[in-house]
Amino acid sequence: SAVISQKPSRDICQRGTSLTIQCQVDSQVTMMFWYRQQPGQSLTLIATANQGSEATYESGFVIDKFPISRPNLTFSTLTVSNMSPEDSSIYLCSVVGLAGGRTDTQYFGPGTRLTVL
Amino acid sequence: DQQVKQNSPSLSVQEGRISILNCDYTNSMFDYFLWYKKYPAEGPTFLISISSIKDKNEDGRFTVFLNKSAKHLSLHIVPSQPGDSAVYFCAASGGTSYDKVIFGPGTSLSVIP
Repeated sequence: SAVISQKPSRDICQRGTSLTIQCQVDSQVTMMFWYRQQPGQSLTLIATANQGSEATYESGFVIDKFPISRPNLTFSTLTVSNMSPEDSSIYLCSVVGLAGGRTDTQYFGPGTRLTVL
Repeated sequence: DQQVKQNSPSLSVQEGRISILNCDYTNSMFDYFLWYKKYPAEGPTFLISISSIKDKNEDGRFTVFLNKSAKHLSLHIVPSQPGDSAVYFCAASGGTSYDKVIFGPGTSLSVIP
């Protein structure tokens, strides 16, 4: 079955810096999403990564803080900009249309655990 | 406003017994429901789903029951195994993978050998 990978798997960053997280799928997918899971909380959708156009952001999330790119059907990046300790979370990408998977289901990458000091 | 609720943050069950995880939702527009399992340091893994046209879906040891009138669904695991120990997320959407999926807060299941 297809594989979803994320880089880095974890990072510790200083306040005010930015981190770019990569999501790579080994087959083309229809849709890609970015989620955040803050400590002790559930998964919250940040945005839908649209191939070749601007991402669609959920309420409470803005492009300046979380710029997203999706240059093709297998790859996306999420940048967490000007980080503060409140950004410490697990960031997850998910995809739809995964080869070998159900067409009606999102499949998740392993996540990136970010700690901001 | 939490649209998907899992009122039990944690559950402990003896190995071999049944685990029942509950989920309630408030949005009557939801018509597709999913359960994901998450181990520490891993992403959520899709477990089982159910469409609102059904009231039961079974896959091996896992069965999901949907009661639309009560806006309630449950996941049954029989028999429970130690490897089932994980956080289970209930999720709901408007019916297609293109719709926003709303996740519940999760229930941490511990299966005791």
